[in-house]
Amino acid sequence: GAVVSQHPSRVICKSGTSVKIECRSLDFQATTMFWYRQFPKQSLMLMATSNEGSKATYEQGVEKDKFLINHASLTLSTLTVTSAHPEDSSFYICSATGLAGGPGETQYFGPGTRLLVL
Amino acid sequence: RKEVEQDPGPFNVPEGATVAFNCTYSNSASQSFFWYRQDCRKEPKLLMSVYSSGNEDGRFTAQLNRASQYISLLIRDSKLSDSATYLCVVNKGNAGKSTFGDGTTLTVKP
Repeated sequence: GAVVSQHPSRVICKSGTSVKIECRSLDFQATTMFWYRQFPKQSLMLMATSNEGSKATYEQGVEKDKFLINHASLTLSTLTVTSAHPEDSSFYICSATGLAGGPGETQYFGPGTRLLVL
Repeated sequence: RKEVEQDPGPFNVPEGATVAFNCTYSNSASQSFFWYRQDCRKEPKLLMSVYSSGNEDGRFTAQLNRASQYISLLIRDSKLSDSATYLCVVNKGNAGKSTFGDGTTLTVKP
């Protein structure tokens, strides 16, 4: 099956620093990648949709200047949390689609990145 | 009203029990439907896609009723390892974004 990796798996940083999270599709070309955030005991919340070579589409309420997304190639998307604050502490998960043509391709998820901002 | 609604749960069942989860969606233009499972502190993993004709994978059976905009997941002969949160996912197609339900937590006890 399709494999999506994320790096790092866990990061602890000081308030005010920026953190970059990488999402890679290892064995397929991902035309679309999605970034989610999940707080404890809550569902996944879509933050943005990223298509290779174009600007990401952010969901309502998500600050695009704070959560910078770059999808420079068909196998890599990055999410940078700029000037992180404790309230940004969360589980960030990416997913990728693009295995086959047609509607409703299955999303394959990365293992997630736990961010803790002190 | 949420776009995808699931039974709130939690469901606590003994091993060997049969348990069913329900899910409704509000957008009639939705094209693809999935069930994912998510273990504690892990990423969601695809359990199965859901087809109009209904589909079965071992102990798991998924059904879709487009007229009622309703999806179900039936788990037979529950195992301890089935304990997880089950997420109903609806997609509008064309690699568009998916909408996740809040999930239903299942705990299977010995």
